Amino acid sequence: AQSVTQPDIHITVSEGASLELRCNYSYGATPYLFWYVQSPGQGLQLLLKYFSGDTLVQGIKGFEAEFKRSQSSFNLRKPSVHWSDAAEYFCAVGAGNNRKLIWGLGTSLAVNP
Amino acid sequence: DGGITQSPKYLFRKEGQNVTLSCEQNLNHDAMYWYRQDPGQGLRLIYYSQIVNDFQKGDIAEGYSVSREKKESFPLTVTSAQKNPTAFYLCASNIEWADYGYTFGSGTRLTVV
Repeated sequence: AQSVTQPDIHITVSEGASLELRCNYSYGATPYLFWYVQSPGQGLQLLLKYFSGDTLVQGIKGFEAEFKRSQSSFNLRKPSVHWSDAAEYFCAVGAGNNRKLIWGLGTSLAVNP
Repeated sequence: DGGITQSPKYLFRKEGQNVTLSCEQNLNHDAMYWYRQDPGQGLRLIYYSQIVNDFQKGDIAEGYSVSREKKESFPLTVTSAQKNPTAFYLCASNIEWADYGYTFGSGTRLTVV
């Protein structure tokens, strides 16, 4: 069965530090991969997506993610975190004929000043 | 600007009552979705609709109902049969079923009192 795992429930980083949020998926073929961000009490916003081609994708707000087929991973990175990046981050996989997104449980990011 | 409007932002319901959550979009998107979000459980799909006058059950449809009489509107009714309705409800849309670029509303927080 398709699944998405975000191993880190909560991460705290200092402002200006680099960030990497992990995402692992389970799917037999190349999936469609997504990262979304959610501010408290708000909806989700698409940060970036990978369908095919270059395995390093750039997104909004200075985020990037790298698809590694051998590791079944799609980790999200940012070189320098800003206090406004504090939010919940969700990884999602779209796969198969049912065209539904499979969601990870999210990683909560806190940023220390 | 185009977007998705969910109303109300906060909703309180007495046990045994039905309540309807509104979702309206002016993006001209064909597909619309309802998700339920509980702390630590990610997003769970309740219902989705690919086109007007058509909708399908998601993973947790019991106790919920929807209609799709207009392209712009996809209201969700939480019925008294839903045993644990207190949650954050998110509506989303995309251009077509094959497009994973979901646009989300800002959510409705439903509390049973």
